[in-house]
Amino acid sequence: DADVTQTPRNRITKTGKRIMLECSQTKGHDRMYWYRQDPGLGLRLIYYSFDVKDINKGEISDGYSVSRQAQAKFSLSLESAIPNQTALYFCATSDTGQINYGYTFGSGTRLTVV
Amino acid sequence: TQLLEQSPQFLSIQEGENLTVYCNSSSVFSSLQWYRQEPGEGPVLLVTVVTGGEVKKLKRLTFQFGDARKDSSLHITAAQTGDTGLYLCAGGSNYKLTFGKGTLLTVNP
Repeated sequence: DADVTQTPRNRITKTGKRIMLECSQTKGHDRMYWYRQDPGLGLRLIYYSFDVKDINKGEISDGYSVSRQAQAKFSLSLESAIPNQTALYFCATSDTGQINYGYTFGSGTRLTVV
Repeated sequence: TQLLEQSPQFLSIQEGENLTVYCNSSSVFSSLQWYRQEPGEGPVLLVTVVTGGEVKKLKRLTFQFGDARKDSSLHITAAQTGDTGLYLCAGGSNYKLTFGKGTLLTVNP
């Protein structure tokens, strides 16, 4: 099994629908992150969580919400999807205090909003 | 806002050639990391550099962190088709990473 698992891998949804992307990890890391990747714009941070009771907005949090259900689970929700939220979404984890050890990424969710 | 500029944005070379890609910022970072991303997958960490002037080698890949900890370079010797991918640099600060937009490398047989 992968260290960081994202579901679904691909999703097509309609404008206005609520959608949840899920992330689970077996690394035992406290810190979890959600990024979106767009061509020409790189990876941009949506939300991050340093432990179960901690939630922080990233640079592009508008239109998104998150839930940290357990140390191993961090979900991203789009309350009312819009077409410009079409992107590749990545979940990542890192070890507490070990930023220098880098992030472990999931394989991504490709979301299309029509 | 901390920004990382990567250059070139695109690079297409023949197998066996050498290449260097760059990552530059006006900000100082506590660490700088390089990732490689293949189509349909998430980025995978290649290396972390933390000390100004540090040089790390990973087989045919050589990574250098600038003396002032604001820039880095990645040099690949004798590129292979398996090196094809998107190379991302990321600067660490306050336990978060800021990513550059990447260099898309294509190594042709």
